[in-house]
Parts: sequence; C-alpha cells; structure tokens
Amino acid sequence: DAKTTQPPSMDCAEGRAANLPCNHSTISGNEYVYWYRQIHSQGPQYIIHGLKNNETNEMASLIITEDRKSSTLILPHATLRDTAVYYCIALFYNFNKFYFGSGTKLNVKP
Amino acid sequence: EAGVAQSPRYKIIEKRQSVAFWCNPISGHATLYWYQQILGQGPKLLIQFQNNGVVDDSQLPKDRFSAERLKGVDSTLKIQPAKLEDSAVYLCASSLDQTGPPALYEQYFGPGTRLTVT
Repeated sequence: DAKTTQPPSMDCAEGRAANLPCNHSTISGNEYVYWYRQIHSQGPQYIIHGLKNNETNEMASLIITEDRKSSTLILPHATLRDTAVYYCIALFYNFNKFYFGSGTKLNVKP
Repeated sequence: EAGVAQSPRYKIIEKRQSVAFWCNPISGHATLYWYQQILGQGPKLLIQFQNNGVVDDSQLPKDRFSAERLKGVDSTLKIQPAKLEDSAVYLCASSLDQTGPPALYEQYFGPGTRLTVT
C-alpha cells in the first residue's frame, strides 16, 4: 500500500474551515484515499473516501490533486466537537489492509 | 442499528497472565478486524476475518496472540502470556464486506478495551 504523510498537529478557529493535508506520493492508480477521525477515547469514525474525483458528504469534502499524490480534507465550518486525530489512509482496492499512520491532531479553538 | 460491542472496557492484569477480549460486530457485517492502539499511535491491524476465515494476520504476534471467529459472527482475541508492551487499547471493527466495492469498506469501530499490563 502507499504510505501517507500528515502534519502531526494543526490549529483551527471555531467556525472557520479546517484544511487537513495528506501526502501520498507513492499512491498507485487503483488505490483509494480514505479519511477517518478519532475523537478522544473513542474508536475511529469514517469520514469520506475517494479515488480521483473530489468528493463531498455531510461531514466533509475531499479534494484530490490531479496527479493523486496528495489530498486535502476540508471541514467547512469547524466546531469544537471536530477536535480529534484525523487519519489519511491509502487503500488498494480489494487488498484489504488499512494502515492508519499517526494522523494529524486537529485542535479547534474558540 | 446497534453498533459494535466490545467487552470488557477495561482490564488490568499482571505480566505473564492471560486475557481475552470479546467483540460482537454489527449484524450482517462479513468483515471483522482487531486493531491494537498504543498510546500516541494510530491503530495497527492485528487480524482481519472475512466471515469465519482469516484474511490477514501478518501483524499478529502468533506466539502469544490468538483470535477466532468460529461462527462468522462474534470474535475473541486472546493474549497468553501478556507482556508489559501489550498495554494498549484493543479495537474491534466491522464492515459490510471488504471483498466487494469500496463503498462497502466503511469500518465501524467499537469503543475498545483498554488493557494495562503491570
């Protein structure tokens, strides 16, 4: 699987957009990008996934660069409840192994 | 729908003792995962089941860890004997079917079991 690189921590003001970057320069053509988050003392929670096109759901938007070497997760209006560790994962379709890495600790501040 | 259930939530044992964790996945989910999460790190996949068969156990320390999912539903993870470095949160997750399209890969996690080995 492609490994991913994320900054260890980021700050964001409440109500502002949070943009979380992820580098996956070794990703192959059929590897999907998944994002999960883990709020303190809870299990990880699925956010969104994509292959080539940008994706949006009720939680977030995923922007994948044209060369697919990086992506950005966007929380459009961050709230204090979005404070969590965010994991970017590259998963080979049908290969069956999620590698979580260390993630980015997002601190949303009032 | 009910989420992934795990028990116990907390466990404290001495090194060299044995311990077992139980997981009941979401009904109808074919794929079940056990992860180990050491403090400050991301979850590490220990073993993955597809129904009652093992798909991947490459990171399971097989000299001391074992897991089973006999009827393709609930699962147990056992450590025998425990070491100090096994102190971690053990997370169970399930997904509809990770042999199908990616839309079915979404994993639902349980609350985890926090193990402390003294």
